[in-house]
Amino acid sequence: AQKITQTQPGMFVQEKEAVTLDCTYDTSDPSYGLFWYKQPSSGEMIFLIYQGSYDQQNATEGRYSLNFQKARKSANLVISASQLGDSAMYFCAADRGSTLGRLYFGRGTQLTVWP
Amino acid sequence: DGGITQSPKYLFRKEGQNVTLSCEQNLNHDAMYWYRQDPGQGLRLIYYSQIVNDFQKGDIAEGYSVSREKKESFPLTVTSAQKNPTAFYLCASTRTSAGAVNIQYFGAGTRLSVL
Repeated sequence: AQKITQTQPGMFVQEKEAVTLDCTYDTSDPSYGLFWYKQPSSGEMIFLIYQGSYDQQNATEGRYSLNFQKARKSANLVISASQLGDSAMYFCAADRGSTLGRLYFGRGTQLTVWP
Repeated sequence: DGGITQSPKYLFRKEGQNVTLSCEQNLNHDAMYWYRQDPGQGLRLIYYSQIVNDFQKGDIAEGYSVSREKKESFPLTVTSAQKNPTAFYLCASTRTSAGAVNIQYFGAGTRLSVL
């Protein structure tokens, strides 16, 4: 099984600044995928970004980028130019690289963006 | 619009009662999942199904049951054996294509409380 650790229960960032949310993982699988989801107060989980373990380049999706350091087993989410609407819970998750598809989640980081 | 529909949004259970949470998807996804979320916790897998008429237990299946009679539907029953059912329940689905990134998409969730 994958173990996902998010050590920051809460983070604060001023609007328009960048913020990094930490995620480390523990796996013995040679192939795996890493995911970040956003959960606003309404509750739905919104997919943000994906990184495969064999991907050479860090994934980017608009203002989101994933700082993937394989040797350190870290997959930090970087949000650039924070907006008030970015205030939410953020979860890091991993799969086992097969079509089984089940995800293992961290406990999440509550991000608050202030004006 | 394609998506995952969970109903009801709020549900109350009386002592000794079974309740069923609905999850329907029109994304033509093969795999479906049920997760439980408690305050301050990440998502924990209850059950998952990769094909019709087949499903597997996740990490916290005790006190729950599921069925998968149709590809589009994956209802979750919270039985009276589940002594602490108060939680937020999320349903997800994904395609299961080999070699592709199988992103899980989520419904809006059902909040279950005990009366």
